[in-house]
Amino acid sequence: DTAVSQTPKYLVTQMGNDKSIKCEQNLGHDTMYWYKQDSKKFLKIMFSYNNKELIINETVPNRFSPKSPDKAHLNLHINSLELGDSAVYFCASSHTNRDEQYFGPGTRLTVT
Amino acid sequence: DAKTTQPTSMDCAEGRAANLPCNHSTISGNEYVYWYRQIHSQGPQYIIHGLKNNETNEMASLIITEDRKSSTLILPHATLRDTAVYYCIVTFNQAGTALIFGKGTTLSVSS
Repeated sequence: DTAVSQTPKYLVTQMGNDKSIKCEQNLGHDTMYWYKQDSKKFLKIMFSYNNKELIINETVPNRFSPKSPDKAHLNLHINSLELGDSAVYFCASSHTNRDEQYFGPGTRLTVT
Repeated sequence: DAKTTQPTSMDCAEGRAANLPCNHSTISGNEYVYWYRQIHSQGPQYIIHGLKNNETNEMASLIITEDRKSSTLILPHATLRDTAVYYCIVTFNQAGTALIFGKGTTLSVSS
């Protein structure tokens, strides 16, 4: 059973389009995150949610909007995609009282 | 910025112990030391964490110096599948805290 899953695994789209990446965890965790890994392989936090409430919102363009319909899901919607948005996006989750984060397999976004 | 310093790369022979060092001289009293690794193209994987005592689990051992300014991750019998980038991260042990990833150490295990 997959603990943290993401769809799609690969996403190729053109500049200006709007796209969404979905994340689901079946670990019963209360907190979920989005990280971005750029072409230089640096991993950076974008957002975190605890019990569907936004905790962390790093300096990310407001074209990026996370949405958490319930504790098991945290989706990432991106408007007006730009070339610089090309990266691998990782979803992660953790339990409320612990900081061990479990990561999904990643979504490789390519904007052309 | 990451609060840790790690060597850029290390090599290890298969079957030998891999000892990965990490300096975290500015660690505060209630911050933990976490280790994650990222195997090529996969999501980061949690390995182990500790506060001040040495810790061991099925994957690795973590040795933290008495002054807590440095630590060593030990993979007792490295295999080819342990080839990965290893990240040492200092963070508070509470949910919602962002992991600040540095450049990590690229460990290459060869036969």
